[in-house]
Amino acid sequence: AQSVSQHNHHVILSEAASLELGCNYSYGGTVNLFWYVQYPGQHLQLLLKYFSGDPLVKGIKGFEAEFIKSKFSFNLRKPSVQWSDTAEYFCAVNNAGGTSYGKLTFGQGTILTVHP
Amino acid sequence: DGGITQSPKYLFRKEGQNVTLSCEQNLNHDAMYWYRQDPGQGLRLIYYSQIVNDFQKGDIAEGYSVSREKKESFPLTVTSAQKNPTAFYLCASTGLGYNEQFFGPGTRLTVL
Repeated sequence: AQSVSQHNHHVILSEAASLELGCNYSYGGTVNLFWYVQYPGQHLQLLLKYFSGDPLVKGIKGFEAEFIKSKFSFNLRKPSVQWSDTAEYFCAVNNAGGTSYGKLTFGQGTILTVHP
Repeated sequence: DGGITQSPKYLFRKEGQNVTLSCEQNLNHDAMYWYRQDPGQGLRLIYYSQIVNDFQKGDIAEGYSVSREKKESFPLTVTSAQKNPTAFYLCASTGLGYNEQFFGPGTRLTVL
């Protein structure tokens, strides 16, 4: 069975600080990887995704993530956070092939609080 | 506007009652999903459906039931057998290729 682990439950930063949120997964096959964000009072929305190709993917709002296959990791980064980045962030994976039918396995979530 | 709607936004239920959460999508997606979100646990899959009149249990299906009579609708019933139903429930859908899932705004269920 797949599992996803996010290293930090709550991260507190000041504006302009750099961000890195850890995500590790366990699965023996080929995976698709996702980062979703949930802003206060808003829908869960996709930040970025990796299916294949360049392991460094860029998403919306200046976020990027790097897939390191040997480490089973997909860490999320942003060089300079803003107060508006305050949200909960979820890493998720699904089986790239076979019969998973797109089912996502989520990490526990990381709450990011950015102080102005 | 294309998207997913869930209703109601807030729902209160007495112990021992069944309650049904609505999920509708106009994205013409074949696959639909129900997740449960609890603080510190992320989202966990309750049920999913790839096509009309077909659905499968997810990781935490006990105490829940679903139906998929129409492509655009995937209601979830929280039964009295669900031991800890207070949670935030999210519905999602995806199209061919099972790539990005789109999420609804969620329903917050509280059992009194």
